[in-house]
Amino acid sequence: QQQVKQSPQSLIVQKGGISIINCAYENTAFDYFPWYQQFPGKGPALLIAIRPDVSEKKEGRFTISFNKSAKQFSLHIMDSQPGDSATYFCAASRMDSNYQLIWGAGTKLIIKP
Amino acid sequence: GAVVSQHPSWVICKSGTSVKIECRSLDFQATTMFWYRQFPKQSLMLMATSNEGSKATYEQGVEKDKFLINHASLTLSTLTVTSAHPEDSSFYICSARGFFGPGTRLTVL
Repeated sequence: QQQVKQSPQSLIVQKGGISIINCAYENTAFDYFPWYQQFPGKGPALLIAIRPDVSEKKEGRFTISFNKSAKQFSLHIMDSQPGDSATYFCAASRMDSNYQLIWGAGTKLIIKP
Repeated sequence: GAVVSQHPSWVICKSGTSVKIECRSLDFQATTMFWYRQFPKQSLMLMATSNEGSKATYEQGVEKDKFLINHASLTLSTLTVTSAHPEDSSFYICSARGFFGPGTRLTVL
């Protein structure tokens, strides 16, 4: 019930294309769903996050789509650039848990020039 | 966003020595901080929850006597790896309120 399943494990996208990473969760008590971007040797950086009362959130080229009934959420990166090449993690949390995050396994994204 | 710092960013030590890693929330107070370790090409593994003014809560399989956590104030938590061994070499990361520090690379020779 605590798991967050993330796919794909790795993804190669051409420059300018759309990168899509998917996550699914089981615990309906989760109410905070962030995405993190991590470069090698660095800590994860919060990219964008969504709460279950909205179905979509957009910040620049990054969009989260959220499907509460299916218990799924996804990250879309529009106009993907080589600088977006990184590992992306989805996570889920309950706000009353002080942001104790349940992590996805990560997706290594490579944007080909 | 909020800023979390870690010190040192990397450390190399001899087997058997102890290493202290600091985690600070720079622009907010955090009664709770989390410590993770991350092996190459893997996700973050939660080690323990650091609670200001009380004992840390450790995840199953994490030795509390080996990984000492002290949450000295509302902006500082420390992780001490005692009697470090090569298998403790890893990337240690702290977080508070969903924001992460830059990580500390520990190499034990």
